[in-house]
Amino acid sequence: SAVISQKPSRDICQRGTSLTIQCQVDSQVTMMFWYRQQPGQSLTLIATANQGSEATYESGFVIDKFPISRPNLTFSTLTVSNMSPEDSSIYLCSGGLVGTEAFFGQGTRLTVV
Amino acid sequence: QQPVQSPQAVILREGEDAVINCSSSKALYSVHWYRQKHGEAPVFLMILLKGGEQKGHEKISASFNEKKQQSSLYLTASQLSYSGTYFCGRIGGSQGNLIFGKGTKLSVKP
Repeated sequence: SAVISQKPSRDICQRGTSLTIQCQVDSQVTMMFWYRQQPGQSLTLIATANQGSEATYESGFVIDKFPISRPNLTFSTLTVSNMSPEDSSIYLCSGGLVGTEAFFGQGTRLTVV
Repeated sequence: QQPVQSPQAVILREGEDAVINCSSSKALYSVHWYRQKHGEAPVFLMILLKGGEQKGHEKISASFNEKKQQSSLYLTASQLSYSGTYFCGRIGGSQGNLIFGKGTKLSVKP
């Protein structure tokens, strides 16, 4: 199994600013993903974080708004840029090996005011 | 397209049984089940890989009918600790990303 440490756990940010969320996995994983979850709703995939190359974004999410880095097999960051209140949500990173269970970080609860 | 789960919510008394269903209009090669408690991250329950396969996790089991593109999660003799939202997921692409259903909220009362 893998343990994913995600930080910050929560933040309150001013609109127009940016926040970078970090995820550290305690073992090498082939896959890392970033999700967004509104309270009481399902997880929506933002992008797949690819090691050493550009992330693969889902429809409705763009690199300028959600730049992602993955410099190695155990670490990834998601930046929420030029934030607006609509970006208030819980952001979760996930990782695992292809074809096996996915592990999740504890999430970052973001409030934009 | 995300899998379709039913029911949306279930309220049980301790000891009662429940079934949560998951279906997909897209071809299902595997089904992943997770449980998320309020304020916590989703936790893996099981993966079903083959048509007709059944698996178990404590008193929680699941079946997968590949031909019908359906899976069902069975919770037997429910405990208070079973409360939470259950999500089924399917693999969305070659990179292994999961597409989740909308979830089924399970509440177990004493």
